[in-house]
Amino acid sequence: AQSVTQLGSHVSVSEGALVLLRCNYSSSVPPYLFWYVQYPNQGLQLLLKYTTGATLVKGINGFEAEFKKSETSFHLTKPSAHMSDAAEYFCAVRSGGNDYKLSFGAGTTVTVRA
Amino acid sequence: KAGVTQTPRYLIKTRGQQVTLSCSPISGHRSVSWYQQTPGQGLQFLFEYFSETQRNKGNFPGRFSGRQFSNSRSEMNVSTLELGDSALYLCASSLGAGETEAFFGQGTRLTVV
Repeated sequence: AQSVTQLGSHVSVSEGALVLLRCNYSSSVPPYLFWYVQYPNQGLQLLLKYTTGATLVKGINGFEAEFKKSETSFHLTKPSAHMSDAAEYFCAVRSGGNDYKLSFGAGTTVTVRA
Repeated sequence: KAGVTQTPRYLIKTRGQQVTLSCSPISGHRSVSWYQQTPGQGLQFLFEYFSETQRNKGNFPGRFSGRQFSNSRSEMNVSTLELGDSALYLCASSLGAGETEAFFGQGTRLTVV
């Protein structure tokens, strides 16, 4: 079984500041990891994914995440926050093989201050 | 390339009624998964269909069911609606094989009164 813990339900940053969203996972097998963003009254949009290979993953809108197996973490960062980054962010994990069930963290809401 | 389409976007039903939600996946995608999103429970997996077969099921009562058609379109049905079924229901589409990611629709907002 796999699970995800997102540290911090709310994060507030200034425009132009670093955005750091923390995600730790547990999985009995090598995981596939994802970050999604959700804007109000919208579905989930994929930001980036880690499956195999390079542990530093670049995504859309300037976001990136680093897979650290030793720390079971997959933290999301963006060097400079923009007002449009205000949204809710979800970390998700799934095991490989034919199990396509995603287990999501509780989500982190990001507020960007002008 | 069209994305994942869910219909309807909004729905209001009365307790005890039943409801059917529809999802059209991205062309070529054979896997459709359904998730329930509520403020209290977050995002929870309902079930996944691949080539018309249920491949995985979450921990929901039997009132929640689904199916997938030969064109990969999927429907989920909730019978005997309860107030607690009020939620955003999200459909996700993927190739269903390999290191593939899931793409989500806009969701159907169900309100049970």
